[in-house]
Amino acid sequence: KQEVTQIPAALSVPEGENLVLNCSFTDSAIYNLQWFRQDPGKGLTSLLLIQSSQREQTSGRLNASLDKSSGRSTLYIAASQPGDSATYLCAVRLWTNAGKSTFGDGTTLTVKP
Amino acid sequence: NAGVTQTPKFQVLKTGQSMTLQCAQDMNHEYMSWYRQDPGMGLRLIHYSVGAGITDQGEVPNGYNVSRSTTEDFPLRLLSAAPSQTSVYFCASSYDPGTGELFFGEGSRLTVL
Repeated sequence: KQEVTQIPAALSVPEGENLVLNCSFTDSAIYNLQWFRQDPGKGLTSLLLIQSSQREQTSGRLNASLDKSSGRSTLYIAASQPGDSATYLCAVRLWTNAGKSTFGDGTTLTVKP
Repeated sequence: NAGVTQTPKFQVLKTGQSMTLQCAQDMNHEYMSWYRQDPGMGLRLIHYSVGAGITDQGEVPNGYNVSRSTTEDFPLRLLSAAPSQTSVYFCASSYDPGTGELFFGEGSRLTVL
């Protein structure tokens, strides 16, 4: 059974810092990995999708990398802003059953002005 | 461009009552799914569908029923509500099960008394 772990569960940083969020998964036969952002009381907003054949994806100040051999993905946020405060989740889909995504519990980020 | 639309946003039920959570998407996505999100449990897959007429069980299907008669709609039925079904429910869709980016609705908050 695929297990997805996100450490740390919570992170607090001052504005302007560069930071890295981690996502680990146990089964490396993944189809893709997706990073989401969730604001309190809201739905999940897609940030980046990395296919299994890709090593990284970039969107603005965000960069996500994927290392299947080590079972890890990182989300890099450059020059953090208070508006980046939210919970960040990663989700993994496997080749064996792409209809099922397994989510981590998320990292709650607070960026202090 | 509506994306994924869920109704109702809030609902209070009494134990034993039945109800249907509605989900509709206007992106012509083949894949649709239902998740529940609970504190400390993360997001868990209830049911999913890879196309009209095709549904399958996820991680926590008991007490829920689904059908997919059209590409656009994927309703979730609670047959006899229980307090353990108090949760926030999210509908998600993607163009295809494997490679597609997953898009979420805003959620439906259900309380069962």
